Amino acid sequence: EVVLTQSPATLSLSPGERATLSCRASQSIGKYLAWYQQKPGQAPRLLIDDASTRATGIPARFSGGGSGTDFTLTISGLEPEDFAVYYCQQRYKWPPFTFGGGTKVEIK
Amino acid sequence: QLVESGGAVVQPGGSLRLSCEASGFTFDDFAMHWVRQAPGRGLEWVSLITWSGSDIYYADSVKGRFTISRDNTKNSLSLQMNSLTTEDSALYYCARGSPHFMDVWGKGTTVTVSS
Repeated sequence: EVVLTQSPATLSLSPGERATLSCRASQSIGKYLAWYQQKPGQAPRLLIDDASTRATGIPARFSGGGSGTDFTLTISGLEPEDFAVYYCQQRYKWPPFTFGGGTKVEIK
Repeated sequence: QLVESGGAVVQPGGSLRLSCEASGFTFDDFAMHWVRQAPGRGLEWVSLITWSGSDIYYADSVKGRFTISRDNTKNSLSLQMNSLTTEDSALYYCARGSPHFMDVWGKGTTVTVSS
């Protein structure tokens, strides 16, 4: 099973700042990684797939990068609605599809 | 749009059937997933069924106890859950597969296993 480790667990930032979230895979997964955003009381929303492709309707301030074992999600200029929990998910080796433990981006 | 239903409080060892009604897209063009989230916890993939229903996959934690199925004539997805334990308590989401990422999610239905 591919284990995904997200860091940091919590990121405290102010609106307008840049957020950089990390997801590390226990083995190489190519570019088969997605990022999701989840706000309290809501379902997750797909942001990025295949490491760097923004999903439909996702603002350009969200960008994904990386390949192999190390991936990043960058939010360039946090908007108030961006404070949420972010999860990565791999589809390289399945079943099972696995998720990281999440990074909470909170207001500083 | 995806709308889940069927969540309830059930005793350990009991059974429950979840449903997910799809609308707004061609249901039989897409694989479908169930994903769950225990209270205050992260996301856990549960099961995948391909568009035709011919291929089905489960997480080890539910294999042999849960059964996923779909009815493309009714645009519906189901999850039959047997031999439930407290570890199965969670919010259960159905999600559209693209096919191996989840690009549309329902709001979820809550399953609580408790005596």
